[in-house]
Amino acid sequence: QKEVEQNSGPLSVPEGAIASLNCTYSDRGSQSFFWYRQYSGKSPELIMFIYSNGDKEDGRFTAQLNKASQYVSLLIRDSQPSDSATYLCAVRSNSSYKLIFGSGTRLLVRP
Amino acid sequence: DVKVTQSSRYLVKRTGEKVFLECVQDMDHENMFWYRQDPGLGLRLIYFSYDVKMKEKGDIPEGYSVSREKKERFSLILESASTNQTSMYLCASSSRTSGSYEQYFGPGTRLTVT
Repeated sequence: QKEVEQNSGPLSVPEGAIASLNCTYSDRGSQSFFWYRQYSGKSPELIMFIYSNGDKEDGRFTAQLNKASQYVSLLIRDSQPSDSATYLCAVRSNSSYKLIFGSGTRLLVRP
Repeated sequence: DVKVTQSSRYLVKRTGEKVFLECVQDMDHENMFWYRQDPGLGLRLIYFSYDVKMKEKGDIPEGYSVSREKKERFSLILESASTNQTSMYLCASSSRTSGSYEQYFGPGTRLTVT
């Protein structure tokens, strides 16, 4: 079982819709959770991180964490074609400096 | 803003050459990381460093070494480049003192070994 799992996609949504990206993790000791966006040929760019159960909002992005179910999600409201990218979920365990990355979900926003 | 820079965006080397990839960060971060990214394999950690002169192996250290002589600079060395080391190489850094540990990536170096 992979430590951080994401559906590879592509997830296709129409412009203006809500895109919902999901990630599950296996280590119950995980403390911090991160979402990165990566455009083709570019490096990952941090979107947001979350530590506590519940929702965290930043502009059009909302991260949701449910530690009991070991899942974290990213909602993108009012999706734009410029949001088309691969979204990487990453998880940090307690007492580690390392992040464990999922393989990413490709999002396509159709105009 | 955190800035992580890498010495080259594109590099072409021949099999058997010694290759140096340099990474510099300007935010006084303690932790630095080298990854490679290949289609279908995701990000794989090669080495990381949590302090000057300290290093730890990641998931795929074979064929690579690293050097961290100064806090802001972390170098990845391919001792004898091989074609299976053709990849995108990404450097990242993070802070221990901030408590959040989020990593910031450089622009990447696309290395081709012929």
